[in-house]
Amino acid sequence: NAGVMQNPRHLVRRRGQEARLRCSPMKGHSHVYWYRQLPEEGLKFMVYLQKENIIDESGMPKERFSAEFPKEGPSILRIQQVVRGDSAAYFCASSPGNSLRTNEKLFFGSGTQLSVL
Amino acid sequence: QQPVQSPQAVILREGEDAVINCSSSKALYSVHWYRQKHGEAPVFLMILLKGGEQKGHEKISASFNEKKQQSSLYLTASQLSYSGTYFCGTEITSGMRFGAGTRLTVKP
Repeated sequence: NAGVMQNPRHLVRRRGQEARLRCSPMKGHSHVYWYRQLPEEGLKFMVYLQKENIIDESGMPKERFSAEFPKEGPSILRIQQVVRGDSAAYFCASSPGNSLRTNEKLFFGSGTQLSVL
Repeated sequence: QQPVQSPQAVILREGEDAVINCSSSKALYSVHWYRQKHGEAPVFLMILLKGGEQKGHEKISASFNEKKQQSSLYLTASQLSYSGTYFCGTEITSGMRFGAGTRLTVKP
């Protein structure tokens, strides 16, 4: 059973370009979380998705950032018109269900390191 | 909404003990603990579900006081492999929120 797969591992973009980060959850997992981490800092919650639904996007900037988790395919975190401040590691995690109800642990992907030049 | 961790950093010699604390201003249903090594993904350590519950993982144990909305992680007889950043996570309404982390360095 493959773990949570994120790609690419490293992504370099110039200011103004678009960045697309992909996350394939573990098989059987229908819940995905995205977190952003700056060097030497914590995991900042961005968005929590269930297949075809956004459960909580309160941690995601309202402009330029969007996320989706379609019925088929990976979850996508999209950053439009990137700026240097978007440079960070972006981690996704998945769980079988709502951790609040199932007390399931999160499985993390290896992250995507985004560098904006 | 995110939990508060203390201390921010700890430096130990091999064999010494440490305690990492996690508290929340909101009612907690459970507390998760994860460890992240430099350049790697966070890895699950344990979940605590009930008030006063304690769990262990190797020589790492934790307690959860639901009434006080606090959890503590105890690292005893620390090993070099324990070095990393420890995060507590809490699920309040929707989505897991993590504390800022405690960086633990174990030296020979």
